[in-house]
Amino acid sequence: EVQLVESGGALVQPGGSLTLSCEASGFSFTGCRMNWVRQAPGEGLVWVSRINSDGSDIGYADSVRGRFTISRDNARNRLYLQMDSLRVEDTAVYYCAGGTVDYYIYYMDVWGKGTTVTVSS
Amino acid sequence: DIVMTQSPLSLPVTPGEPASFSCRSSQSLLYSNGKNYLDWYVQKPGQSPLLLISVTSNRASGVPDRFSGSGSGTDFTLKISRVEAEDVGVYYCMQAVQSPPTFGQGTKLEIK
Repeated sequence: EVQLVESGGALVQPGGSLTLSCEASGFSFTGCRMNWVRQAPGEGLVWVSRINSDGSDIGYADSVRGRFTISRDNARNRLYLQMDSLRVEDTAVYYCAGGTVDYYIYYMDVWGKGTTVTVSS
Repeated sequence: DIVMTQSPLSLPVTPGEPASFSCRSSQSLLYSNGKNYLDWYVQKPGQSPLLLISVTSNRASGVPDRFSGSGSGTDFTLKISRVEAEDVGVYYCMQAVQSPPTFGQGTKLEIK
């Protein structure tokens, strides 16, 4: 079964840090571009970050650039999002999403169930 | 950033009837290869998003042929030929032609 499972969400104070993890199974993670997409409570979807298959091409939304770092460990089939200097407005469900085939840069045909990050004092 | 605008925001439909979702972009989504990079996702209640349509009209694996996508440039449409109760959810369009990818605000499909 093709699957992405996120973990690491928590309640954190403003200014704090958190690392999200996403474990892939059932498909060839090594060859896939991956993304993080978030959804604030009651709101729509917002793209956060992307990484290509070998980690050599990375992109961020302006709202998180300089604070968040995306990375991957292909040997462990894992995607990560290191989040620093967290703000209240970073509160959201964070989804790991990717393309199971090498189609185009933002092709996302597999999504995890999400992990919740709450930034509050 | 490209702004995506969806309409209507809410769409009540009787089962068995068709449904149509509109998505407009602030810039053309036509790439140099002749393809329009517009994707459609659905988020059913309590679930994560699911890819329905990629590159304007390509149904994702397992998506029923009741769903179809069309359009070009800045105007795009998702159609459901006959709505079923299981289709309830929020439908999002997303442009994938330019970084950052951006989503519309979503159209909520409700069953009458």
